[in-house]
Amino acid sequence: NAGVMQNPRHLVRRRGQEARLRCSPMKGHSHVYWYRQLPEEGLKFMVYLQKENIIDESGMPKERFSAEFPKEGPSILRIQQVVRGDSAAYFCASSPTTSGDEQFFGPGTRLTVL
Amino acid sequence: QQPVQSPQAVILREGEDAVINCSSSKALYSVHWYRQKHGEAPVFLMILLKGGEQKGHEKISASFNEKKQQSSLYLTASQLSYSGTYFCGTEMSGTYKYIFGTGTRLKVLA
Repeated sequence: NAGVMQNPRHLVRRRGQEARLRCSPMKGHSHVYWYRQLPEEGLKFMVYLQKENIIDESGMPKERFSAEFPKEGPSILRIQQVVRGDSAAYFCASSPTTSGDEQFFGPGTRLTVL
Repeated sequence: QQPVQSPQAVILREGEDAVINCSSSKALYSVHWYRQKHGEAPVFLMILLKGGEQKGHEKISASFNEKKQQSSLYLTASQLSYSGTYFCGTEMSGTYKYIFGTGTRLKVLA
């Protein structure tokens, strides 16, 4: 049973470009969370999705950031017109149920904005 | 709103014990504990649920005081592999959002 997969592992973008981060949850998991982690800091909640639904996006900036989890395929975190402050590690985690279960984290995508 | 962890950092020698605390200002449904090594993803350690249920995978114990909205992680007879940053993740009652604590850096020396 493969774990949570994220790609790419490293992504370099120039200011103004778009970044697309992908997350494939563990088999049987329909709940996906995205977190951002700045160097030497903790994990910041961004968004919680179930298949085809955004449940809570209160941690996501209102502009430039969007997330989706389609019926088929991976969850996507999209950052438009990236700025240097977007440089961070982005982790996704999946769980089998809404709450009370552990979250399984992917290896993360390290985004660097030049 | 972010849970506060204490201490911020701790250095131990192999075999020594440590306690890491996590304190929230909000009513909690559950507390999760994770360990993250530098450059890696967080790894699950323990879940404590309201009502006393616990789920864990390692020889690490924890407590959850619902009234005080506090949790403590107990590391006994520490090993070199325990080094890393420990985060508590809290799920507030009535929400689906997990908020992670400020983190505690732990280093175990030989």
